[in-house]
Amino acid sequence: DAMVIQNPRYQVTQFGKPVTLSCSQTLNHNVMYWYQQKSSQAPKLLFHYYDKDFNNEADTPDNFQSRRPNTSFCFLDIRSPGLGDAAMYLCATSGLWVNEQFFGPGTRLTVL
Amino acid sequence: QQQVKQSPQSLIVQKGGISIINCAYENTAFDYFPWYQQFPGKGPALLIAIRPDVSEKKEGRFTISFNKSAKQFSLHIMDSQPGDSATYFCAAWDTGTASKLTFGTGTRLQVTL
Repeated sequence: DAMVIQNPRYQVTQFGKPVTLSCSQTLNHNVMYWYQQKSSQAPKLLFHYYDKDFNNEADTPDNFQSRRPNTSFCFLDIRSPGLGDAAMYLCATSGLWVNEQFFGPGTRLTVL
Repeated sequence: QQQVKQSPQSLIVQKGGISIINCAYENTAFDYFPWYQQFPGKGPALLIAIRPDVSEKKEGRFTISFNKSAKQFSLHIMDSQPGDSATYFCAAWDTGTASKLTFGTGTRLQVTL
């Protein structure tokens, strides 16, 4: 089945230690998104790629970076995680003519 | 103008009852209104969606009612079941110019036996 895959599902890191979360998709969608979701809150968009064009949200901290080496993969890099960055990180995709966002299962990040 | 307001924040419904969640928006450029269902520890999953050219869409026990003039839409879950217990997010999307969803704040639904 075509889907959005996120690895790892659970990630524990130390305060200040860089961490990378990965997302892959078999849907061949040209738009990929990264969201941060904290407990009992709605997903908050961090940035998205339209093909290789990177679109950063104005309030996304510089601590968060992203890479999209090809259509299928997208990475979220947190350069120096703080305690406030502990959250669920969701990857989503959408196609050019598909008005739907497909979400992955998320990566739960814990910062010690 | 980009906000989507959602209510109630939480909802308890008895099994077999009707669950109703309401959302309101301001941006008239929004032209696609999905509802997402999210279980704990999982990503949101599309439940049902509507475009503003129709006033109602039904899929099984789930119905979206849409009032374009009032800029409001709502999700009705008929014959609510304990398995429906989840958090529900409404969202809005300007598919013409923007690539991002604007989410409501979420409603935590609990269906009791």
